[in-house]
Amino acid sequence: QVQLVQSGVEVKKPGASVKVSCKASSYNFASYGFSWVRQAPGEGLEWMGWISAYMGNTNYAQNFQGRVTMTTDTSTSTAYMELTSLRSDDTAVYYCARFGTGYSEYWGQGTLVTVSS
Amino acid sequence: EIVLTQSPGTLSLSPGERATLSCRASQSVRFSYLAWYQQKPGQAPRLLIYGASTRATGIPDRFSGSGSGTDFTLTISRLQPEDFAVYYCQQYSNSQYTFGQGTKVEIK
Repeated sequence: QVQLVQSGVEVKKPGASVKVSCKASSYNFASYGFSWVRQAPGEGLEWMGWISAYMGNTNYAQNFQGRVTMTTDTSTSTAYMELTSLRSDDTAVYYCARFGTGYSEYWGQGTLVTVSS
Repeated sequence: EIVLTQSPGTLSLSPGERATLSCRASQSVRFSYLAWYQQKPGQAPRLLIYGASTRATGIPDRFSGSGSGTDFTLTISRLQPEDFAVYYCQQYSNSQYTFGQGTKVEIK
């Protein structure tokens, strides 16, 4: 069955960067892309953007333009999301999800990123 | 950016009752590119509906979606204990996808 396994908990200081990984298995990696969505504690879902796995085309949410970079590595079937210039309000659970035609049927387990001095 | 407004914020119902959740868009959602997700505490979201009305794989038929343009509805015909959760709508009709703020369905 399709699985997306994300990297573990991260604790970062303000101003630092974080890179979250998402390893996919049990499907043709190149046939789908990845969406990244985050959820601050007690809050709703926030779409960050998507990347196509094969061509690497990206579409970032305007709120994250200039701070987020999404990449994929087809050799390891892994997607990455890097967020720079971290602030305390970037503290959230970050999810990767398989992206087909806009909606996401398969999700990773989430990665908690805590930004604190 | 298309803003999605969900109502009500919280819905208090008993098992067996019908739940009707609304998602209103600030502009037309082209091609009815709207999805619904369910999220339980500590879990990732689960896709319920896409294309406004198509159930995702394995989703029970008590969940149904309807609507077009700017007004969409998720209906749960008879609430089961496992359906008490938070529900989000998401539009993917333009380049900037957005989620609604969520509706919590709680046990009355």
